[in-house]
Amino acid sequence: GAVVSQHPSRVICKSGTSVKIECRSLDFQATTMFWYRQFPKKSLMLMATSNEGSKATYEQGVEKDKFLINHASLTLSTLTVTSAHPEDSSFYICSATFANTGELFFGEGSRLTVL
Amino acid sequence: TQLLEQSPQFLSIQEGENLTVYCNSSSVFSSLQWYRQEPGEGPVLLVTVVTGGEVKKLKRLTFQFGDARKDSSLHITAAQPGDTGLYLCAGDLYTGNQFYFGTGTSLTVIP
Repeated sequence: GAVVSQHPSRVICKSGTSVKIECRSLDFQATTMFWYRQFPKKSLMLMATSNEGSKATYEQGVEKDKFLINHASLTLSTLTVTSAHPEDSSFYICSATFANTGELFFGEGSRLTVL
Repeated sequence: TQLLEQSPQFLSIQEGENLTVYCNSSSVFSSLQWYRQEPGEGPVLLVTVVTGGEVKKLKRLTFQFGDARKDSSLHITAAQPGDTGLYLCAGDLYTGNQFYFGTGTSLTVIP
């Protein structure tokens, strides 16, 4: 099956710093990538939908200036958490789909801890 | 309020028992998927249903998509400890290429 890779898998940073998380589709061109946030034992909350070469579409309540999403190529999308605070600590997961197949391929997730 | 509501939220059963998880919405979906997730990992796709009324079987798991394409269910027969995990339904709306996840069902199967 298709492979989506996230990096880093774990990151710890100080409050006020920015953190970038990468999401790569390794063996296919992802027309659309999605970014989710997940709290412990909770479901995935869609943050934004990212299409290659265009601005991301953010869900209501998600600060676009706080969570910068860039989808510069068909194989890479990045999420940058700017000026991170402890409340931004969470598990962030990306997924990708291609050719409107209706199937999502997930990355392994990135656990962010802000001290 | 989430687009897809799952019930129950938590379920703890003995090995060998049967269970059903429900995924309900007031919205219509072009397709609906079920995932299983283990702690610290990304969700793993179990099945995709695309036709209203569709029933799919995957060994001990039976998935059903409602006729109106607004709801789905997952039935597990003779649950095993290896079935323990967070079960998530997810759907994409006809109105856009966006996938939304259900509220999740945490299943624990006790040996």
